[in-house]
Amino acid sequence: EAQVTQNPRYLITVTGKKLTVTCSQNMNHEYMSWYRQDPGLGLRQIYYSMNVEVTDKGDVPEGYKVSRKEKRNFPLILESPSPNQTSLYFCASSLCFSTSTDTQYFGPGSRLTVL
Amino acid sequence: AQSVTQLDSHVSVSEGTPVLLRCNYSSSYSPSLFWYVQHPNKGLQLLLKYTSAATLVKGINGFEAEFKKSETSFHLTKPSAHMSDAAEYFCVVSAATGRRALTFGSGTRLQVQP
Repeated sequence: EAQVTQNPRYLITVTGKKLTVTCSQNMNHEYMSWYRQDPGLGLRQIYYSMNVEVTDKGDVPEGYKVSRKEKRNFPLILESPSPNQTSLYFCASSLCFSTSTDTQYFGPGSRLTVL
Repeated sequence: AQSVTQLDSHVSVSEGTPVLLRCNYSSSYSPSLFWYVQHPNKGLQLLLKYTSAATLVKGINGFEAEFKKSETSFHLTKPSAHMSDAAEYFCVVSAATGRRALTFGSGTRLQVQP
């Protein structure tokens, strides 16, 4: 089944404790992206990747890192989480970066709480 | 630059009555427009997308949207609401150039009353 998977789905952590949220897609998509969803703000892009080893900042990159060593995986790293990073995180992928009409497929979301 | 405004944060309808969720956009380029739906505690599912072909776009579950360039609108409609339509709906614009970020509206929560 074609899908985007994320882990963990739920996490409660404390300020300053490094964590990684994994994202994997099995559709051989070039483009991957991370979003965060906060009430009343819709989804905002954190980072994106056009292909392996090519990543760039989105609208709200502060406090986050990403890497794209393999086409299928795009982990989101919080080096020193803070309470303002409490949010619902979505990973998404689409076939081709160069086509704006491509559908982005979303993972199920990861709900992160930072105390 | 691009932006999306969903004109209603909450819409309540009775089962069997029409649904109208309103969306206005602005974009410097010819946009691609999408509607996504998010059911409670679920991920985002694509309902339909406009990609500069037909201005009336049909999606899944009986939803439609009409692209009106003169009004910069992309309203979502359904002739007859079903209880299972209760969810949050996001209007989304994708730029024709640049980093392909999707710009999301703030969402419209649809309630369907029995």
